[in-house]
Amino acid sequence: EPEVTQTPSHQVTQMGQEVILRCVPISNHLYFYWYRQILGQKVEFLVSFYNNEISEKSEIFDDQFSVERPDGSNFTLKIRSTKLEDSAMYFCASSELGAANTGELFFGEGSRLTVL
Amino acid sequence: QKEVEQDPGPLSVPEGAIVSLNCTYSNSAFQYFMWYRQYSRKGPELLMYTYSSGNKEDGRFTAQVDKSSKYISLFIRDSQPSDSATYLCAMSAGTASKLTFGTGTRLQVTL
Repeated sequence: EPEVTQTPSHQVTQMGQEVILRCVPISNHLYFYWYRQILGQKVEFLVSFYNNEISEKSEIFDDQFSVERPDGSNFTLKIRSTKLEDSAMYFCASSELGAANTGELFFGEGSRLTVL
Repeated sequence: QKEVEQDPGPLSVPEGAIVSLNCTYSNSAFQYFMWYRQYSRKGPELLMYTYSSGNKEDGRFTAQVDKSSKYISLFIRDSQPSDSATYLCAMSAGTASKLTFGTGTRLQVTL
């Protein structure tokens, strides 16, 4: 069964350092997303990406965040200068159609980011 | 008022019980409603998807939407220990691509 894969599974970094989280979406999917979940809190939308550009972003997704699809398979989330409050589980998701069309978002298993 | 409210639990039931999980929402723009299951240290997995008021059944799962009351439910019949997980409701306004999640209800089904 096709799946969304994410690396690393866990990253520990110092405050102020740059972090890149990587995702390989399902191959025929067109819509890509990043969500995050702070421990004990709800899953929150960060950004959606379609046709090589951001289609929507939340207030959380400020200038410290960026996304990129550097090649035909990877989708990355970069945090330029990490803060303590960036510590969370980051989920990549993809869908064949937009989330509102089918709801069928396939999530990866997440990358846990710990900022010290 | 939060956009989506969900009782975090934990909810503990014996095997075979009927489980009722609920969410309320305040945003009238939400048109699409989903239930996700999340096992510990895993990503959310879609269980049910509905876009109209009423019931939708899939095996042991029934999703119910009442748009007039802004209330959605997920029923699990004949619950199994393997159903032990966190259940997340999520909703979308339709034209927007993002999902807004509830906090999740942790369910424990005991033998």
